[in-house]
Amino acid sequence: DTEVTQTPKHLVMGMTNKKSLKCEQHMGHRAMYWYKQKAKKPPELMFVYSYEKLSINESVPSRFSPECPNSSLLNLHLHALQPEDSALYLCASSQPLAGVAKNIQYFGAGTRLSVL
Amino acid sequence: RKEVEQDPGPFNVPEGATVAFNCTYSNSASQSFFWYRQDCRKEPKLLMSVYSSGNEDGRFTAQLNRASQYISLLIRDSKLSDSATYLCVVMNYGGSQGNLIFGKGTKLSVKP
Repeated sequence: DTEVTQTPKHLVMGMTNKKSLKCEQHMGHRAMYWYKQKAKKPPELMFVYSYEKLSINESVPSRFSPECPNSSLLNLHLHALQPEDSALYLCASSQPLAGVAKNIQYFGAGTRLSVL
Repeated sequence: RKEVEQDPGPFNVPEGATVAFNCTYSNSASQSFFWYRQDCRKEPKLLMSVYSSGNEDGRFTAQLNRASQYISLLIRDSKLSDSATYLCVVMNYGGSQGNLIFGKGTKLSVKP
């Protein structure tokens, strides 16, 4: 079982709704990531937090808003999404760079999002 | 040219077969390399890291050729449970963390 926990597992929302995806890890990792994965495609990086600070935003639309309240939690706030945003949203965590073995990213089970 | 390229398959093989996956990457400065496995509608899970010296874990052997920018995964004695999509993943270092670049994945289907 993954040590990165994501909630909810499934989410259906309308285009006017506001919702949040949550991710939690207790492995002491200080880097956390949001990925988006469409069917039959590889995961695409959205955001990276390193030591609770946003370090990478891969030109993601502002309707996706990440938040890192502390070193164990990562949220993704959703507002005014479009149907094409329907996808599997994956959270991952890793140690910051300190040797190859510690750079491994561990993924949560994901939130399967449908936007109607 | 895509950063990480792999044959999408599908590879349909009988139980007990040996199957090899290949992957190439374009950024010669890439530092770390991995094979992840992803089952249908599940998250990617690390299968193994890949080192220049080659590494083996049971039925799985991974090789890295930095000169050719080529990564391989060999699965011996395939099991039904090996059926999944295998993602070749390259890590490029940026700031204080590494950024994963995924290949599109190679689908393996092991038949009885």
